[in-house]
Amino acid sequence: QQQLQESGPGLVKPSETLSLTCTVSGGSISRSSYYWGWIRQPPGKGLEWIGSIYYSGTTYYNPSLKSRVAISVDTSNDQFSLILTSVTAADTAVYYCARLFYRNLCPDSWGQGTLVTVSS
Amino acid sequence: QSALTQPASVSGSPGHSITISCTGTSSDVGGYNYVSWYQQHPGEAPKLMIYDVNNRPSGVSNRFSGSKSGNTASLTISGLQAEDEADYYCSSYTTSSTLVFGGGTKLTVL
Repeated sequence: QQQLQESGPGLVKPSETLSLTCTVSGGSISRSSYYWGWIRQPPGKGLEWIGSIYYSGTTYYNPSLKSRVAISVDTSNDQFSLILTSVTAADTAVYYCARLFYRNLCPDSWGQGTLVTVSS
Repeated sequence: QSALTQPASVSGSPGHSITISCTGTSSDVGGYNYVSWYQQHPGEAPKLMIYDVNNRPSGVSNRFSGSKSGNTASLTISGLQAEDEADYYCSSYTTSSTLVFGGGTKLTVL
């Protein structure tokens, strides 16, 4: 059973860049059946899909965030990462990394989530 | 992309059944049989309960079932139990190869 764990700073200043990494254990990230993705949840609010990446590097992003987001993959270390630039208070959220079914992007396994607060 | 539409809250008594709706468009819910449902308890990560409209992952109770008609999908929970009290979210694959979530529904077990 694969497990996912987010890591990264819990506090980011406005206008700066948010950077998180997800480490996958219990199996290679290069499995052909899955995409890997990021989903966030502002405090007290709903879920928002940020984007997804395949082990080959193919990415898909939420159109509303596309200009500020980049997701990359490191297959040698079974990790994938999120970069979100020019953050504001509206980017404060719990950020989850997840494993997604290849054919429909359905998240079937989630990390525990990490709270990132944007504040000076 | 616009979020799928879910009722903000539903409630039901133990042993009874409830249904949560999830309305989208022909570009998402109506266009694919790729609707999923998630359960989230406070402070926890979401848990996949239904995928591909009406399929349950291993270990999920058969009290949870899903269906779809046109642009609206539904989650039904039968035989309500206290531990079913949680937030529920739907999601759908879209024509843009993206994923869109619903706004979430808070289920209260009376």
